[in-house]
Amino acid sequence: ELVLTQSPGTLSLSPGERATLSCRVSQRVSSSYLAWYQQKPGQAPRLLIYGASSRAAGIPDRFSGSGSGTDFTLTISRLEPEDFAVYYCQHLGTSLMYTFGQGTKLEIK
Amino acid sequence: QVQLQESGPGLVKPSQTLSLTCTVSGGSIGSGRYYWNWIRQPAGKGLEWIGRIYTSGTSHYNPSLRSRATISLDTLKNLFSLNMTSVTAADTAIYYCATYCPPGVCPGSYDAFDIWGQGTKVTVSS
Repeated sequence: ELVLTQSPGTLSLSPGERATLSCRVSQRVSSSYLAWYQQKPGQAPRLLIYGASSRAAGIPDRFSGSGSGTDFTLTISRLEPEDFAVYYCQHLGTSLMYTFGQGTKLEIK
Repeated sequence: QVQLQESGPGLVKPSQTLSLTCTVSGGSIGSGRYYWNWIRQPAGKGLEWIGRIYTSGTSHYNPSLRSRATISLDTLKNLFSLNMTSVTAADTAIYYCATYCPPGVCPGSYDAFDIWGQGTKVTVSS
């Protein structure tokens, strides 16, 4: 069973700072199927990154994704007030099972 | 642009069957282009993928649900449904439907859930 482990659980930063979120996968996976989502309270998740490093339509370029194999990273270069939310990584594809990480909460320091 | 809207009872009694529908607009569920998914999220917790169905009727499920979940299509009504049997309090959650069209079918699209419904809250309680 594929397990996605996100760290840290909570990240406390100030607007203008850089955020680095990690997603570690329990086995090597194709980066083609690694995605990142943002979820704000009371809202459905929103796709940010697909294929590990490609931004979805309308996503600001301060959001970037990287990584391969078992280690993936979401970076927000300069935090805006609207970026404070919960972030999930997801892998689509192994054994026809879609798996989410447990999430990282990005909060205002 | 495809849009999704979940609906169903907000309250279900323990041991009964939870039934939800996801109505699709802006596209045909029978077009053979999309994978139709259900995901849930208990209050204050993370996202759990429940299962998916393709236009052919082929479906796949999260093994953790131990065969309690069934997803079906209604092409005449342009919706897909989730039935979950023998519910307990642990099934209390917001239930989302979501979809995507793989890049091999829809050039320029993504292998990721780019379309979500707004979610519907389900409470399991007597």
